[in-house]
Amino acid sequence: GAGVSQSPSNKVTEKGKDVELRCDPISGHTALYWYRQSLGQGLEFLIYFQGNSAPDKSGLPSDRFSAERTGGSVSTLTIQRTQQEDSAVYLCASSLLGGGNTEAFFGQGTRLTVV
Amino acid sequence: KQEVTQIPAALSVPEGENLVLNCSFTDSAIYNLQWFRQDPGKGLTSLLLIQSSQREQTSGRLNASLDKSSGRSTLYIAASQPGDSATYLCAVGTDSWGKLQFGAGTQVVVTP
Repeated sequence: GAGVSQSPSNKVTEKGKDVELRCDPISGHTALYWYRQSLGQGLEFLIYFQGNSAPDKSGLPSDRFSAERTGGSVSTLTIQRTQQEDSAVYLCASSLLGGGNTEAFFGQGTRLTVV
Repeated sequence: KQEVTQIPAALSVPEGENLVLNCSFTDSAIYNLQWFRQDPGKGLTSLLLIQSSQREQTSGRLNASLDKSSGRSTLYIAASQPGDSATYLCAVGTDSWGKLQFGAGTQVVVTP
Protein backbone atom coordinates (compact mmCIF):
# COMPACT_ATOMS: atom_id res chain seq x y z
CA GLY A 1 0.00 0.00 0.00
CA ALA A 2 0.93 3.66 -0.14
CA GLY A 3 1.49 4.00 3.60
CA VAL A 4 1.54 2.13 6.87
CA SER A 5 -1.94 0.84 7.60
CA GLN A 6 -3.22 0.03 11.08
CA SER A 7 -6.46 -1.56 12.17
CA PRO A 8 -8.71 -1.05 13.93
CA SER A 9 -8.43 2.73 14.26
CA ASN A 10 -10.30 2.61 17.55
CA LYS A 11 -10.86 -0.24 19.99
CA VAL A 12 -12.82 -0.22 23.22
CA THR A 13 -12.46 -3.33 25.33
CA GLU A 14 -13.38 -4.50 28.78
CA LYS A 15 -10.70 -4.95 31.40
CA GLY A 16 -9.39 -8.50 31.34
CA LYS A 17 -10.12 -9.17 27.67
CA ASP A 18 -7.45 -9.84 25.06
CA VAL A 19 -6.98 -7.53 22.07
CA GLU A 20 -5.12 -7.79 18.78
CA LEU A 21 -3.85 -4.78 16.87
CA ARG A 22 -2.75 -5.10 13.28
CA CYS A 23 -0.09 -3.29 11.28
CA ASP A 24 0.48 -3.55 7.54
CA PRO A 25 3.81 -1.87 6.68
CA ILE A 26 4.81 -0.12 3.48
CA SER A 27 5.47 -2.70 0.79
CA GLY A 28 9.16 -3.59 0.64
CA HIS A 29 10.02 -2.22 4.06
CA THR A 30 11.97 -4.77 6.03
CA ALA A 31 11.92 -3.06 9.42
CA LEU A 32 8.78 -2.69 11.54
CA TYR A 33 8.40 -0.97 14.91
CA TRP A 34 5.64 -0.68 17.51
CA TYR A 35 5.41 2.36 19.78
CA ARG A 36 2.90 3.41 22.40
CA GLN A 37 1.73 6.97 23.05
CA SER A 38 0.13 7.53 26.42
CA LEU A 39 -1.10 10.75 28.01
CA GLY A 40 1.70 12.11 30.11
CA GLN A 41 4.17 9.44 28.91
CA GLY A 42 4.95 10.52 25.41
CA LEU A 43 5.99 8.00 22.79
CA GLU A 44 7.73 4.86 24.00
CA PHE A 45 9.33 2.05 22.03
CA LEU A 46 7.77 -1.41 22.39
CA ILE A 47 9.23 -3.86 19.88
CA TYR A 48 11.20 -3.98 16.63
CA PHE A 49 11.34 -6.51 13.79
CA GLN A 50 14.02 -6.60 11.10
CA GLY A 51 13.85 -9.21 8.38
CA ASN A 52 14.39 -12.69 9.75
CA SER A 53 16.39 -11.56 12.78
CA ALA A 54 15.13 -12.12 16.31
CA PRO A 55 12.98 -9.15 17.32
CA ASP A 56 14.09 -6.57 19.87
CA LYS A 57 11.43 -6.91 22.59
CA SER A 58 13.19 -4.72 25.13
CA GLY A 59 10.39 -2.14 25.30
CA LEU A 60 7.48 -4.47 26.04
CA PRO A 61 6.11 -3.38 29.44
CA SER A 62 5.01 -6.81 30.66
CA ASP A 63 4.60 -10.42 29.56
CA ARG A 64 0.97 -9.65 28.72
CA PHE A 65 2.30 -7.96 25.60
CA SER A 66 3.51 -9.93 22.60
CA ALA A 67 3.93 -9.35 18.90
CA GLU A 68 4.60 -11.36 15.83
CA ARG A 69 5.34 -10.64 12.22
CA THR A 70 4.22 -13.16 9.64
CA GLY A 71 5.98 -13.58 6.33
CA GLY A 72 8.09 -10.53 6.94
CA SER A 73 5.12 -8.25 6.37
CA VAL A 74 2.01 -7.87 8.53
CA SER A 75 2.48 -7.62 12.28
CA THR A 76 0.07 -8.22 15.12
CA LEU A 77 0.47 -6.79 18.61
CA THR A 78 -1.45 -8.78 21.21
CA ILE A 79 -2.29 -7.58 24.69
CA GLN A 80 -3.63 -10.24 27.03
CA ARG A 81 -5.80 -9.57 30.08
CA THR A 82 -5.96 -5.85 29.32
CA GLN A 83 -5.66 -3.35 32.14
CA GLN A 84 -6.80 0.27 32.28
CA GLU A 85 -3.19 1.45 32.14
CA ASP A 86 -2.93 -0.18 28.70
CA SER A 87 -5.20 2.56 27.33
CA ALA A 88 -3.11 4.47 24.80
CA VAL A 89 -2.54 5.03 21.11
CA TYR A 90 -0.49 2.21 19.61
CA LEU A 91 1.58 3.35 16.63
CA CYS A 92 3.30 1.19 14.08
CA ALA A 93 6.16 2.35 11.86
CA SER A 94 8.17 0.82 9.08
CA SER A 95 11.41 1.68 7.34
CA LEU A 96 13.18 0.44 4.26
CA LEU A 97 16.20 -1.15 5.86
CA GLY A 98 16.17 -0.41 9.53
CA GLY A 99 19.43 0.86 10.86
CA GLY A 100 20.45 4.35 11.75
CA ASN A 101 20.08 6.17 8.50
CA THR A 102 16.68 5.20 7.24
CA GLU A 103 13.53 7.21 7.64
CA ALA A 104 10.67 5.78 9.71
CA PHE A 105 7.11 6.15 8.43
CA PHE A 106 4.22 5.87 10.85
CA GLY A 107 0.65 4.67 10.57
CA GLN A 108 -2.37 6.51 11.94
CA GLY A 109 -2.40 4.45 15.10
CA THR A 110 -4.94 2.40 17.02
CA ARG A 111 -6.56 4.15 19.96
CA LEU A 112 -7.16 1.53 22.64
CA THR A 113 -9.52 2.28 25.52
CA VAL A 114 -9.84 -0.25 28.33
CA VAL A 115 -12.99 0.22 30.41
CA LYS B 1 20.15 6.56 29.07
CA GLN B 2 19.32 8.94 26.25
CA GLU B 3 16.90 11.71 27.18
CA VAL B 4 15.30 14.03 24.65
CA THR B 5 13.86 17.38 25.67
CA GLN B 6 11.80 19.81 23.64
CA ILE B 7 11.39 23.41 24.68
CA PRO B 8 9.01 25.16 24.69
CA ALA B 9 6.16 22.73 25.32
CA ALA B 10 3.76 25.09 23.57
CA LEU B 11 4.12 28.04 21.25
CA SER B 12 1.67 30.48 19.70
CA VAL B 13 2.67 32.83 16.89
CA PRO B 14 0.84 35.07 14.41
CA GLU B 15 0.73 34.00 10.81
CA GLY B 16 3.81 34.98 8.85
CA GLU B 17 6.28 34.77 11.71
CA ASN B 18 9.13 32.28 11.60
CA LEU B 19 8.94 29.32 13.98
CA VAL B 20 11.95 28.06 15.93
CA LEU B 21 11.57 24.73 17.71
CA ASN B 22 14.30 23.32 19.91
CA CYS B 23 15.31 19.76 20.69
CA SER B 24 18.13 18.68 22.99
CA PHE B 25 19.51 15.25 23.78
CA THR B 26 21.87 14.04 26.47
CA ASP B 27 23.96 11.48 24.60
CA SER B 28 25.74 12.73 21.48
CA ALA B 29 26.26 9.18 20.15
CA ILE B 30 23.17 9.22 17.96
CA TYR B 31 22.62 7.55 14.61
CA ASN B 32 20.20 10.14 13.25
CA LEU B 33 17.56 12.67 14.25
CA GLN B 34 14.10 12.87 12.79
CA TRP B 35 11.46 15.60 13.05
CA PHE B 36 7.79 14.65 12.90
CA ARG B 37 4.50 16.47 12.82
CA GLN B 38 1.40 15.12 14.59
CA ASP B 39 -2.09 16.48 14.04
CA PRO B 40 -4.75 15.84 16.72
CA GLY B 41 -5.93 12.23 16.67
CA LYS B 42 -3.55 11.35 13.85
CA GLY B 43 -0.31 9.47 13.43
CA LEU B 44 3.12 10.97 12.84
CA THR B 45 4.18 12.54 9.57
CA SER B 46 7.90 12.56 8.90
CA LEU B 47 9.22 16.03 8.08
CA LEU B 48 13.00 15.73 7.95
CA LEU B 49 15.67 13.13 8.67
CA ILE B 50 19.18 14.31 9.51
CA GLN B 51 21.82 11.61 9.42
CA SER B 52 24.50 11.64 12.10
CA SER B 53 27.12 12.89 9.64
CA GLN B 54 25.00 15.81 8.46
CA ARG B 55 24.64 19.33 9.86
CA GLU B 56 21.30 20.27 8.35
CA GLN B 57 18.45 19.30 6.07
CA THR B 58 16.01 21.46 4.16
CA SER B 59 12.61 20.84 2.64
CA GLY B 60 10.61 23.77 1.35
CA ARG B 61 9.94 26.15 4.25
CA LEU B 62 11.49 23.72 6.73
CA ASN B 63 15.11 23.66 7.79
CA ALA B 64 16.56 21.51 10.55
CA SER B 65 20.05 21.77 11.98
CA LEU B 66 21.99 19.25 14.03
CA ASP B 67 24.88 19.90 16.40
CA LYS B 68 25.80 16.55 17.90
CA SER B 69 28.60 17.88 20.08
CA SER B 70 26.25 20.18 21.94
CA GLY B 71 23.33 17.75 21.78
CA ARG B 72 20.98 20.09 19.95
CA SER B 73 18.73 20.29 16.93
CA THR B 74 16.60 23.18 15.79
CA LEU B 75 13.67 23.10 13.40
CA TYR B 76 12.97 26.35 11.58
CA ILE B 77 9.68 26.90 9.79
CA ALA B 78 9.69 30.03 7.67
CA ALA B 79 6.65 32.27 7.15
CA SER B 80 4.30 30.22 9.31
CA GLN B 81 0.74 29.49 8.19
CA PRO B 82 -2.35 28.41 10.16
CA GLY B 83 -1.95 24.99 8.54
CA ASP B 84 1.34 24.60 10.38
CA SER B 85 -0.58 24.30 13.65
CA ALA B 86 0.26 20.87 15.06
CA THR B 87 2.51 19.14 17.57
CA TYR B 88 6.10 18.78 16.44
CA LEU B 89 8.16 15.89 17.77
CA CYS B 90 11.84 15.24 17.51
CA ALA B 91 13.28 11.75 17.85
CA VAL B 92 16.87 10.52 17.97
CA GLY B 93 17.98 7.20 16.57
CA THR B 94 19.64 5.44 19.49
CA ASP B 95 21.03 2.29 17.87
CA SER B 96 21.88 0.70 14.56
CA TRP B 97 18.43 -0.89 14.43
CA GLY B 98 16.76 2.50 14.04
CA LYS B 99 15.05 2.55 17.43
CA LEU B 100 13.84 6.09 18.19
CA GLN B 101 13.79 8.00 21.48
CA PHE B 102 11.19 10.76 21.35
CA GLY B 103 10.86 14.14 22.97
CA ALA B 104 7.52 15.18 24.45
CA GLY B 105 6.80 17.55 21.60
CA THR B 106 6.08 21.23 21.06
CA GLN B 107 2.46 22.17 20.44
CA VAL B 108 2.33 25.00 17.89
CA VAL B 109 -0.61 27.29 17.16
CA VAL B 110 -0.38 29.74 14.28
CA THR B 111 -3.10 32.38 14.50
CA PRO B 112 -4.50 34.03 11.35
